[in-house]
Amino acid sequence: AQSVTQLDSQVPVFEEAPVELRCNYSSSVSVYLFWYVQYPNQGLQLLLKYLSGSTLVKGINGFEAEFNKSQTSFHLRKPSVHISDTAEYFCAVRKASGGSYIPTFGRGTSLIVHP
Amino acid sequence: DAGVIQSPRHEVTEMGQEVTLRCKPISGHDYLFWYRQTMMRGLELLIYFNNNVPIDDSGMPEDRFSAKMPNASFSTLKIQPSEPRDSAVYFCASRGLRQEINQPQHFGDGTRLSIL
Repeated sequence: AQSVTQLDSQVPVFEEAPVELRCNYSSSVSVYLFWYVQYPNQGLQLLLKYLSGSTLVKGINGFEAEFNKSQTSFHLRKPSVHISDTAEYFCAVRKASGGSYIPTFGRGTSLIVHP
Repeated sequence: DAGVIQSPRHEVTEMGQEVTLRCKPISGHDYLFWYRQTMMRGLELLIYFNNNVPIDDSGMPEDRFSAKMPNASFSTLKIQPSEPRDSAVYFCASRGLRQEINQPQHFGDGTRLSIL
């Protein structure tokens, strides 16, 4: 079985500062990795996904993530955040083959952007 | 494209009452998931369906919870009788065709349930 650890439950940051949200996973097989964002009173929306190929993945709203197989990490970054980026961010992992392809979600990281 | 549609968006009811949450998945999606989100436990998978058939309901907390999917465009999650500890946000999600195995889930906006 796979698991996901989001190391920070809350990340406060000032507007226009860079941010990194950390995600580590464990799995005995190849995986697909996802980052979702949840704005207040809304469902989760896909930010970006890593399936294969280039380890640097670009997503919506200026976010990007880097897959590091040796460190089993998939950290999310943005060079300059906006107030509107305040939201909950979820990392998810899913087996790349075999089984039911059901994702495992992390506990989430609350990004709080201060003016 | 219409996304996953959940109703109601908010539900407030008294302990002991029956609660029914509804979900309409994206047309053509053959997987449907029900999740519960709380501060204490985060996002929990309750049950999922494939082609209207329940595949894994091991996340359903108790017999008070039941879920059905009578057809490809509709699913319900029912709690009877409801208890205050059932208060949470319940999400429905659907996912694309089986052969598109790398497709992500699409989530509805959730139902915020409060049991008094």
